[in-house]
This record gives sequence, structure tokens and C-alpha cells, in this order.
Amino acid sequence: DVKVTQSSRYLVKRTGEKVFLECVQDMDHENMFWYRQDPGLGLRLIYFSYDVKMKEKGDIPEGYSVSREKKERFSLILESASTNQTSMYLCASRKGNTGELFFGEGSRLTVL
Amino acid sequence: GQNIDQPTEMTATEGAIVQINCTYQTSGFNGLFWYQQHAGEAPTFLSYNVLDGLEEKGRFSSFLSRSKGYSYLLLKELQMKDSASYLCAVIPSGSARQLTFGSGTQLTVLP
Repeated sequence: DVKVTQSSRYLVKRTGEKVFLECVQDMDHENMFWYRQDPGLGLRLIYFSYDVKMKEKGDIPEGYSVSREKKERFSLILESASTNQTSMYLCASRKGNTGELFFGEGSRLTVL
Repeated sequence: GQNIDQPTEMTATEGAIVQINCTYQTSGFNGLFWYQQHAGEAPTFLSYNVLDGLEEKGRFSSFLSRSKGYSYLLLKELQMKDSASYLCAVIPSGSARQLTFGSGTQLTVLP
């Protein structure tokens, strides 16, 4: 079974702090994604990566950056957290351009 | 731009049949997914349609009409555990790696 693991299920940070969200997948998938999920807005794509060191902006990249130094690991970085970044963050991976997304359990971030 | 519409909420009775609709307007089309998400959990894959017609998988079926930009998820013999959010997602053309998600339909199954 594909496993996508996110480092933290729950985080509480203060405004201005730097936040790292880590995601690891164990099935050698080329594509990895970071989404945020908010009530009434659904899943919105922040960034995705289709190869090591390669990344593309999604629909809402402002305030975020990403890092993909190894194929299995995709990190989401909030350089200076703000309260409007309080959300559920979901990592996903996918093999090639077909097939389903496999999601991690999610990281619920609260920024105070 | 991409636009995917689903009803926000639906309610049905245990043992009944429910149909959750999804309409989309996207820049091209490379396939449509349905995902199920229980509260506090990750979305899990239910179905994938790329050609017109009905795909059946046990109690769940998914239908696609590309000319109408329309899909539905049909759940039969509803069980309490089917209470969840159901997400419709489309792969637009030009960026086959990405999926664009609708806001989800929260289904409540009543005894």
C-alpha cells in the first residue's frame, strides 16, 4: 500500500514564525502536491513538484515556498506565518499523469 | 479558469440511494475523480472516469458525460458509515499532473 506520511498532525504557531511541514511518500512517485483545505473552499493547490528540485505554483502559492531535495520528500515552508494561514494542509503523491492521488493524514495548523 | 460545482450538503436515509452531482467548466478535460473524506481523515479514492458512461464498483457507481461537463456519484444501499464529504476533482488539459477539486458535498446518512 502507498503510504504518505506527514510529520505533524497538529501544530500551533505564532504570527511571524517560520513553519516547516514535511511529507514523505514510500512508492517512488514522481509527483507530489501540497493542498490546503478550508470549509466552503474545498482543496486548493498551493504547490506541486514533478521531480527532484522541480516545482510549480498552484492556485494559491503566495506566502508559501516548497523544497524537494529527494524524490520521497516534499516540504512546505511558511516563511512568516500569518493568521490567515490557519488551515488543514494535505500532502499527496501521484505516479505519472494518470492514476489517483494518495493523501497523507493532514496537518492542522493554527497560527495565533 | 476552472470551475467545479457540487451541492454543499445532502441528507439521505440508511438503505436508500443517493446521487451526488458534479458539473465542471475547465480548460480541457483529462479525467474526473471522486474521493470520499470522513471527518478528520485524508481523502480516499473512489472512482476515475475518463470516457463517457457508467463505472460500477460495488455499491458505488460514477457516471460521466463529457459533452455536458457533468458527472454523478451514485451510492446504493446507504450505510451509516457512508456519512462523509464527497469530493469531485477534474484533471484539466494542459497540466495533466494537477487535479482541481470542487468544494465537496457533505452527505449525512440518517437511521
